[in-house]
Amino acid sequence: SQQGEEDPQALSIQEGENATMNCSYKTSINNLQWYRQNSGRGLVHLILIRSNEREKHSGRLRVTLDTSKKSSSLLITASRAADTASYFCATGRFGGADGLTFGKGTHLIIQP
Amino acid sequence: EAEVAQSPRYKITEKSQAVAFWCDPISGHATLYWYRQILGQGPELLVQFQDESVVDDSQLPKDRFSAERLKGVDSTLKIQPAELGDSAMYLCASSGGQGQGGDTQYFGPGTRLTVL
Repeated sequence: SQQGEEDPQALSIQEGENATMNCSYKTSINNLQWYRQNSGRGLVHLILIRSNEREKHSGRLRVTLDTSKKSSSLLITASRAADTASYFCATGRFGGADGLTFGKGTHLIIQP
Repeated sequence: EAEVAQSPRYKITEKSQAVAFWCDPISGHATLYWYRQILGQGPELLVQFQDESVVDDSQLPKDRFSAERLKGVDSTLKIQPAELGDSAMYLCASSGGQGQGGDTQYFGPGTRLTVL
């Protein structure tokens, strides 16, 4: 079963703009991860944030985590056409080698 | 850069036939996962192996699905008999390389199954 929901389900913006996606989850977690999936391909790990962290950065990516609201957001700054993909949040309950529970994803389209 | 290998990339089969998917994880990764992704949805975990042992198969439909990782390296996922509702992308992932702590999973390109 799906852990939670990404919001919005689809997002279309102009190249150069910032894109923000949100994720909500239901149960307590050890960590939350964001993955990217290009059309019909496998998933690529983007960033991991642990339950005791509030914010994390990686290049043009910024992730926040609010465990009291059971929500996370992914910000992509200065978007590029190559960022067009589906983005999924996934939660791990225990850390370590833990099967992940994914949301339904946000489909992001960057208009050139 | 090391990658997770999967084959075949695409498989078309008829209802009631048997199908099998193969996965070769990144060398040294002790943990291997099989996920199923229905179009428009996120992946759902089917089975998790630690070396050759099954850690979690609670979401695996065991009446028709089976998975094995006999030598703790590569793995095979089988469906017999296939049903129309099994049409999906089957993704393999691995984790647990040296110093990685197991949190980050590396995914293969997937096998797209179509059941007619």
